[in-house]
Amino acid sequence: AQKITQTQPGMFVQEKEAVTLDCTYDTSDQSYGLFWYKQPSSGEMIFLIYQGSYDEQNATEGRYSLNFQKARKSANLVISASQLGDSAMYFCAMRGAGGKLIFGQGTELSVKP
Amino acid sequence: ETGVTQTPRHLVMGMTNKKSLKCEQHLGHNAMYWYKQSAKKPLELMFVYSLEERVENNSVPSRFSPECPNSSHLFLHLHTLQPEDSALYLCASSQDRGAIYGYTFGSGTRLTVV
Repeated sequence: AQKITQTQPGMFVQEKEAVTLDCTYDTSDQSYGLFWYKQPSSGEMIFLIYQGSYDEQNATEGRYSLNFQKARKSANLVISASQLGDSAMYFCAMRGAGGKLIFGQGTELSVKP
Repeated sequence: ETGVTQTPRHLVMGMTNKKSLKCEQHLGHNAMYWYKQSAKKPLELMFVYSLEERVENNSVPSRFSPECPNSSHLFLHLHTLQPEDSALYLCASSQDRGAIYGYTFGSGTRLTVV
């Protein structure tokens, strides 16, 4: 069975500092994809970054980077230079061979001024 | 209009009412999904449609009835709901069922059952 685990229900970070949000996964599929989404209080799920299981380099998108450690089955999100607008829920998700996206429990990030 | 649009954004309904949630996508995607997001819980996949055909129903009670008249529109018909059905209902679409590029989500409908 596939499973995504986010062990940090809530995180605080000072504005302009970097923060790492943890995500571990479990799957028996050889080919899979890992995603991070941001959900502000408005409710919309906003795609941030994607990492394919065969990608050798860590994905980066602006201030977001994904620290992919395949052997440890972890896909942590790193946000550099945090901004007040980064305060939101963050969800890690995995797409398996069947194409279905399953989500972790989420981490609520609060950025302090 | 682009992306995935959900209406209404907010809905309050009594347990005996019948209402419908609407989802529309203008991305040319062939697969659409309904998710339920309750407080403090992970997103739960409810239904999957591919090329207008329902391909997955994750043990959802019959008081939730989906409809996909074409590849751009998805509805969720609600009747005789319970207070525990109060949640954020998210619609998503993907290029196809393989969802190589993940899903595009709408802003959700926040449903309150009284």
